[in-house]
Amino acid sequence: DTEVTQTPKHLVMGMTNKKSLKCEQHMGHRAMYWYKQKAKKPPELMFVYSYEKLSINESVPSRFSPECPNSSLLNLHLHALQPEDSALYLCASSGQGQETQYFGPGTRLLVL
Amino acid sequence: SQQGEEDPQALSIQEGENATMNCSYKTSINNLQWYRQNSGRGLVHLILIRSNEREKHSGRLRVTLDTSKKSSSLLITASRAADTASYFCATDPYDTGRRALTFGSGTRLQVQP
Repeated sequence: DTEVTQTPKHLVMGMTNKKSLKCEQHMGHRAMYWYKQKAKKPPELMFVYSYEKLSINESVPSRFSPECPNSSLLNLHLHALQPEDSALYLCASSGQGQETQYFGPGTRLLVL
Repeated sequence: SQQGEEDPQALSIQEGENATMNCSYKTSINNLQWYRQNSGRGLVHLILIRSNEREKHSGRLRVTLDTSKKSSSLLITASRAADTASYFCATDPYDTGRRALTFGSGTRLQVQP
């Protein structure tokens, strides 16, 4: 199984809402990533988890809160987002010693 | 910050023609990878070339790497309408301890049937 799944596919939320994005992989990968991608732009790294520990936070605002409950799951908790946070949020994973990243289909987020 | 720049930003060709995309980067790398993204979807890994390699082939894909010029190119031969997508190069920086890729700005390829 070389699939990374993400839910939901689409999410519309108000600026006062709290929501969560979920990502799951069953490839035994120990590194998982969150990226943000605006239209016609490349993915921008947000967070990296390695062995369920946060290893990289690219100075992301605290209204984005990542969580890695176990080696297969990665969450991104959203609270008090701004309209400019509307984007495609991509999750990826990679194996130990493997440089290739496997991406999920993304969650299209719209903040009103 | 994104260290890779790609050109052209957009490319439109006819089916059967070859498509060439270029990527430049700024720092030393362990490897360089190419990914494809269909509109609004996740990225799919195409090919990885290591810093000690100069050329690599995979099916209709040919990738070259020139570390002295800090540049790479992706050639898609005999293109098909299904190749229509955005293509991104991504670099794995050398010896930073970061397990993170830096993506280039991307090339949007349109293959006309």
